[in-house]
Amino acid sequence: QKEVEQNSGPLSVPEGAIASLNCTYSDRVSQSFFWYRQYSGKSPELIMSIYSNGDKEDGRFTAQLNKASQYVSLLIRDSQPSDSATYLCAAHTGGFKTIFGAGTRLFVKA
Amino acid sequence: DTAVSQTPKYLVTQMGNDKSIKCEQNLGHDTMYWYKQDSKKFLKIMFSYNNKELIINETVPNRFSPKSPDKAHLNLHINSLELGDSAVYFCASSQDGAAQETQYFGPGTRLLVL
Repeated sequence: QKEVEQNSGPLSVPEGAIASLNCTYSDRVSQSFFWYRQYSGKSPELIMSIYSNGDKEDGRFTAQLNKASQYVSLLIRDSQPSDSATYLCAAHTGGFKTIFGAGTRLFVKA
Repeated sequence: DTAVSQTPKYLVTQMGNDKSIKCEQNLGHDTMYWYKQDSKKFLKIMFSYNNKELIINETVPNRFSPKSPDKAHLNLHINSLELGDSAVYFCASSQDGAAQETQYFGPGTRLLVL
């Protein structure tokens, strides 16, 4: 069974702090990894994608990928209350299939 | 303009009924998906279609029957609804299903089976 695992949280951080979200995946053939943000009652929207080992930065967000450890992470710098949401880690396993983790709930306290 | 739209937004029905959910995308994408998100927020793929052809059926009960009349539309018909079918159903699309593509999600259909 191909899986993507995340700590469900909730993860609570104060405003301005760094939020660190982690994810592991079981299928070594996974090529592409995504972080989606989902606000309560809304649909998922893409925050970051990463395909190669190392770091990828976009504004306040940094995605990190370590294929040897089968580990993906998302760092949110200068966290804002508006970042409070569920963050879904996803892995594209090939063949039109993307596996999502159960999500980590993040609360940013003002 | 809404990129991926779904109707209805809410659906409340009795056990045993048959219902349909419609999805349309105006992004010009070739690949469309149905996902089920349960109460614990777990988003699970049900079906993938590429150019109107079924690619993935992720061990979904055959009470669920998707239909893609054209590349822009993917509908989901559910027969003999059960309590466990209560969930949010999301339609999504991507350019052609390749590994590095973003998926764009519709607003979701909240199904409650009583």
